[in-house]
Amino acid sequence: GAVVSQHPSRVICKSGTSVKIECRSLDFQATTMFWYRQFPKQSLMLMATSNEGSKATYEQGVEKDKFLINHASLTLSTLTVTSAHPEDSSFYICSAPTRAGSSLYGYTFGSGTRLTVV
Amino acid sequence: GDSVTQMEGPVTLSEEAFLTINCTYTATGYPSLFWYVQYPGEGLQLLLKATKADDKGSNKGFEATYRKETTSFHLEKGSVQVSDSAVYFCALSAAGGFKTIFGAGTRLFVKA
Repeated sequence: GAVVSQHPSRVICKSGTSVKIECRSLDFQATTMFWYRQFPKQSLMLMATSNEGSKATYEQGVEKDKFLINHASLTLSTLTVTSAHPEDSSFYICSAPTRAGSSLYGYTFGSGTRLTVV
Repeated sequence: GDSVTQMEGPVTLSEEAFLTINCTYTATGYPSLFWYVQYPGEGLQLLLKATKADDKGSNKGFEATYRKETTSFHLEKGSVQVSDSAVYFCALSAAGGFKTIFGAGTRLFVKA
């Protein structure tokens, strides 16, 4: 079945540095990728929607200059947390429609990235 | 706007007990409904789905029926196992839309 490979699974970085998270769709094309943030014991908060070859659409309250999203190909989307601070520590998850162009078949999620900023 | 409400957890059950996790939604039109499961430290996995009224989604012994009249999509399993311990998210995608709206999640603990 459809798989989204997300890495790294865990990363610890120093405050002020940048971290890149990659999501690759395997065996299917992800023309759209959703990026979520999940706080402990809470639901997923949609941060942004990326579309291959165009600028990402950010949800209200999400800083686009802090969370840089690039979707350069049909199988790769990246999220870069720039100048990370401890409050950026969270679990970040990507997902893509399992069938391109349709939400009817659900979404395939990456395994998530646990970011800890010290 | 569209929303999903699911019962608060945690839910603690003994092995082989019957499970129900309630989920109701608010949406215009006819959304698609989903249940996702998240195991500790992992991303979400699609558990089951239903795309129209009266559809029943099922997988791994779990079932949920799309009830338009009560705007509900309750998750059930007749006999839970310890391995079912996880967080369960009810979600919807609006008709013709792409975004998924998630409920707050319900944590399930199953004791041996």
